Amino acid sequence: AQSVTQPDIHITVSEGASLELRCNYSYGATPYLFWYVQSPGQGLQLLLKYFSGDTLVQGIKGFEAEFKRSQSSFNLRKPSVHWSDAAEYFCAMLPGGSYIPTFGRGTSLIVHP
Amino acid sequence: NAGVTQTPKFQVLKTGQSMTLQCAQDMNHEYMSWYRQDPGMGLRLIHYSVGAGITDQGEVPNGYNVSRSTTEDFPLRLLSAAPSQTSVYFCATSTGSYTEAFFGQGTRLTVV
Repeated sequence: AQSVTQPDIHITVSEGASLELRCNYSYGATPYLFWYVQSPGQGLQLLLKYFSGDTLVQGIKGFEAEFKRSQSSFNLRKPSVHWSDAAEYFCAMLPGGSYIPTFGRGTSLIVHP
Repeated sequence: NAGVTQTPKFQVLKTGQSMTLQCAQDMNHEYMSWYRQDPGMGLRLIHYSVGAGITDQGEVPNGYNVSRSTTEDFPLRLLSAAPSQTSVYFCATSTGSYTEAFFGQGTRLTVV
């Protein structure tokens, strides 16, 4: 069965610290992969996406993610977190030929000053 | 440049009442879907549509009804509201496979 796992429900970091949010997927081939961010009271906004090619992808707001086929992972990183990055982060995958993404359960990022 | 517009933003219903959550898009996207978001559950797909006149059920369709008479609109109807339907509802659109989804701002529904 296709699934996306975000192992961490909550992550707490200090402002200025580095960040890594984990995402693992289960699918028989390489899917299309996405990271979305949801600020409080808002809808989901696309941070970045991976379709093919370079396994390190850059997104908005200084985020990047690395696709690792051997680990079925697509972890999100940021070298220095800002207080405004506090939000819910969702990893999603889109199997080839599909148009309905499968979402992980989300990771809530808390940023301490 | 509205994108995906959901109305209302907030709603309180009494058990047994019916209502329609509206979703309108101006991006000419073929694919539209409704999700509900509950704490710890992530996003769960309720219904989706691949074009005008075509709809299908998602993961949690019970208690909800949809129709798609135009490309722009995809309303979600609650037939007889129950407290278990208290949630935040999101409408999303996309141009098709291999593309990202665009989300509305959400409707926070409370059923008392």
